[in-house]
Amino acid sequence: SQQGEEDPQALSIQEGENATMNCSYKTSINNLQWYRQNSGRGLVHLILIRSNEREKHSGRLRVTLDTSKKSSSLLITASRAADTASYFCATVGFGNEKLTFGTGTRLTIIP
Amino acid sequence: GAVVSQHPSWVICKSGTSVKIECRSLDFQATTMFWYRQFPKQSLMLMATSNEGSKATYEQGVEKDKFLINHASLTLSTLTVTSAHPEDSSFYICSARGAGRATEAFFGQGTRLTVV
Repeated sequence: SQQGEEDPQALSIQEGENATMNCSYKTSINNLQWYRQNSGRGLVHLILIRSNEREKHSGRLRVTLDTSKKSSSLLITASRAADTASYFCATVGFGNEKLTFGTGTRLTIIP
Repeated sequence: GAVVSQHPSWVICKSGTSVKIECRSLDFQATTMFWYRQFPKQSLMLMATSNEGSKATYEQGVEKDKFLINHASLTLSTLTVTSAHPEDSSFYICSARGAGRATEAFFGQGTRLTVV
């Protein structure tokens, strides 16, 4: 079953612009992670944010977490054509180790 | 990051036959491995969670007799699709994680299964 929804389902922007993707989830979490998947390939881990953290940066990536709203956002700055992929948020709850994925956002960067 | 190798990357088999997919953690000990199924342009659906040396925990609606999971060592888990049918055609992905709930999971490159 899905933990949550991602918004938007698809996003197309010009190269150089910033891309923002949102993730909402339903139950309390231990941490939330963002992954990237190129078409027909495995997933690449991007960033992990713990439930007691509010913001985290990694290179051109910025992730925020609002546990009161059960939501997270992923911002990719200065987008590049190589950023074209599907992006998924995934949550890990308390009392289990399952990684439950959201519905994903398909990001297309137009050169 | 750590490396997880999944093999084969694609396989075509006839209906009624069984297919085994391997997932190996190459440079770390995977205390927990996860198997996912992904339909085209959709998200990953967790099929089962396995811990080394114990039986896998299957998600609701996943047939344990059809999808046999073995996690015999800290570096290897296998998924066997038994008596495969065309509706089993899908993209199967494994992931592996070391000890601790807060550690990230590393994914294999996936296996495209086509049953004809």
